[in-house]
Amino acid sequence: DVKVTQSSRYLVKRTGEKVFLECVQDMDHENMFWYRQDPGLGLRLIYFSYDVKMKEKGDIPEGYSVSREKKERFSLILESASTNQTSMYLCASTLGYNEQFFGPGTRLTVL
Amino acid sequence: QKEVEQDPGPLSVPEGAIVSLNCTYSNSAFQYFMWYRQYSRKGPELLMYTYSSGNKEDGRFTAQVDKSSKYISLFIRDSQPSDSATYLCAMSRNQFYFGTGTSLTVIP
Repeated sequence: DVKVTQSSRYLVKRTGEKVFLECVQDMDHENMFWYRQDPGLGLRLIYFSYDVKMKEKGDIPEGYSVSREKKERFSLILESASTNQTSMYLCASTLGYNEQFFGPGTRLTVL
Repeated sequence: QKEVEQDPGPLSVPEGAIVSLNCTYSNSAFQYFMWYRQYSRKGPELLMYTYSSGNKEDGRFTAQVDKSSKYISLFIRDSQPSDSATYLCAMSRNQFYFGTGTSLTVIP
């Protein structure tokens, strides 16, 4: 079974803090994704990566950056957290375009 | 117009009922069609995926794709309280597009 893990299930941070969310997958997938999920808005793509050191902006990249130094690990960085970044963050990985596997999610609250 | 439209519900049914969940889409280039189940405060779990038109069955779940109508469905037979969750449809070509999810409650 594909396993995607995320570093934290729940996180509380203060406005202005730098926040790191980490994601690891164990299936040697090329593609990894970061989404945020908000009620009524569904899943919105923040960034994705098709290979090590590669990154592509999704629909809402503002205020975020990413890092992919190793194939299995994809990190999302909030340079200066703001209250409007309070959300559920979901990492996913996929080999192709037919099955995308998600991690358990990190519920981030920014105070 | 959104790429994928999904009725948010909520949908409430008695145990044992047949449930029909639906999505419509606008891009005829979509090739893969997926259904995810998401329990509260958890990540989405892939239930089924289909390629192109047709039906696919897995236990109590049947996924149906009608590319001519740009319409996909997920049917749940003999619904159980454990099926209570939010169901997300998704489609892909060069990237993934998700519906906003339908909240389902199965009442014992």
